[in-house]
Amino acid sequence: EADIYQTPRYLVIGTGKKITLECSQTMGHDKMYWYQQDPGMELHLIHYSYGVNSTEKGDLSSESTVSRIRTEHFPLTLESARPSHTSQYLCASSDEAGRGSHGYTFGSGTRLTVV
Amino acid sequence: AQSVTQPDIHITVSEGASLELRCNYSYGATPYLFWYVQSPGQGLQLLLKYFSGDTLVQGIKGFEAEFKRSQSSFNLRKPSVHWSDAAEYFCAVGGHGGSYIPTFGRGTSLIVHP
Repeated sequence: EADIYQTPRYLVIGTGKKITLECSQTMGHDKMYWYQQDPGMELHLIHYSYGVNSTEKGDLSSESTVSRIRTEHFPLTLESARPSHTSQYLCASSDEAGRGSHGYTFGSGTRLTVV
Repeated sequence: AQSVTQPDIHITVSEGASLELRCNYSYGATPYLFWYVQSPGQGLQLLLKYFSGDTLVQGIKGFEAEFKRSQSSFNLRKPSVHWSDAAEYFCAVGGHGGSYIPTFGRGTSLIVHP
């Protein structure tokens, strides 16, 4: 079954720590995305990738970085976490324009709390 | 640039009542349109999508949506709401023609009264 996995589901970390949020998909999708979402609020695109070795910043300025060394893997890294980074982070993937049967497929998210 | 408007931030219905969530889009060509549902603390789950053909689209969990080009709308409907339908609903238009990035509306929160 096609799916997209995010780990960890919940993370509480101290200010200044480096963290990596993992995202992997098994659908062979070229396109992958990272969104930031505060509870009950809209989604903000922070990074996207059109394929291996392709990464771009999204609409919302973010201090995070991403890499795309393998098609299936799209990790997001915060070099120095701050309380302002507290949020939910959603990873998604798609084929061209979401035309596949799953559309834009989302992971379950990582709820990050920086204390 | 493409955009999506969900004019209702909150909708409250009684269990068993019918539901319609509104979505208007702005896009230069035939859009790819989606509705997603999000339960608290979860990711987004695809309810249904429209690419072409029949303008009335059936989805999961008894939902349907109708594409109306003349009104630039893609409203989501359900004839009888269940308490488990309480969630956040997002409408989206899919990018294409060079950009594959979807644009999401800000979401509508559905509250279901017993």
